Amino acid sequence: EAGVTQFPSHSVIEKGQTVTLRCDPISGHDNLYWYRRVMGKEIKFLLHFVKESKQDESGMPNNRFLAERTGGTYSTLKVQPAELEDSGVYFCASSRTGTYTQYFGPGTRLTVL
Amino acid sequence: KQEVTQIPAALSVPEGENLVLNCSFTDSAIYNLQWFRQDPGKGLTSLLLIQSSQREQTSGRLNASLDKSSGRSTLYIAASQPGDSATYLCAVRDDYKLSFGAGTTVTVRA
Repeated sequence: EAGVTQFPSHSVIEKGQTVTLRCDPISGHDNLYWYRRVMGKEIKFLLHFVKESKQDESGMPNNRFLAERTGGTYSTLKVQPAELEDSGVYFCASSRTGTYTQYFGPGTRLTVL
Repeated sequence: KQEVTQIPAALSVPEGENLVLNCSFTDSAIYNLQWFRQDPGKGLTSLLLIQSSQREQTSGRLNASLDKSSGRSTLYIAASQPGDSATYLCAVRDDYKLSFGAGTTVTVRA
């Protein structure tokens, strides 16, 4: 079974540009989560999808962040326009409904210059 | 709001010594607690998951205990090896989302 995959692994952009991160969950996992770790801080929850529906986006920092999960498969997280404080590692995780373990992807390291 | 604390922040031990990593959380109304390992530049690997009704879980050289009422968990790694060098993260599940500690970075010296 393939694990959670994320693309790209690294992204370096200028302040004010747009970046889109992609996450492919494990096949059959209806739950998809985005987390991020900014410099020196703990990993923080951003949002949770159940299939294509946003269940909770209380962790999204502001309206420059937009997450989508069309068709309930892969998800994208767009940052527009990017700011310096958005730099960090963005993790995606998935889980099967009714189970407890979240499986994490390798993360995307975002650097905003 | 759940706060998760891990002590110590870093630990260096000689090979063969047992490791004890601590995690505390402020709200005891959790569903479960999960211990992860993260290697540099890599994702998170789940090591052990303890349900709120359980007291401990074991996997090989790893043993994790949970005292929900006092808001504490401890991860024990027996007979440490250089390959155990990594950052260990504790996370508690409130409903469906995880709240993480900052991690303990472990170095096992050969």
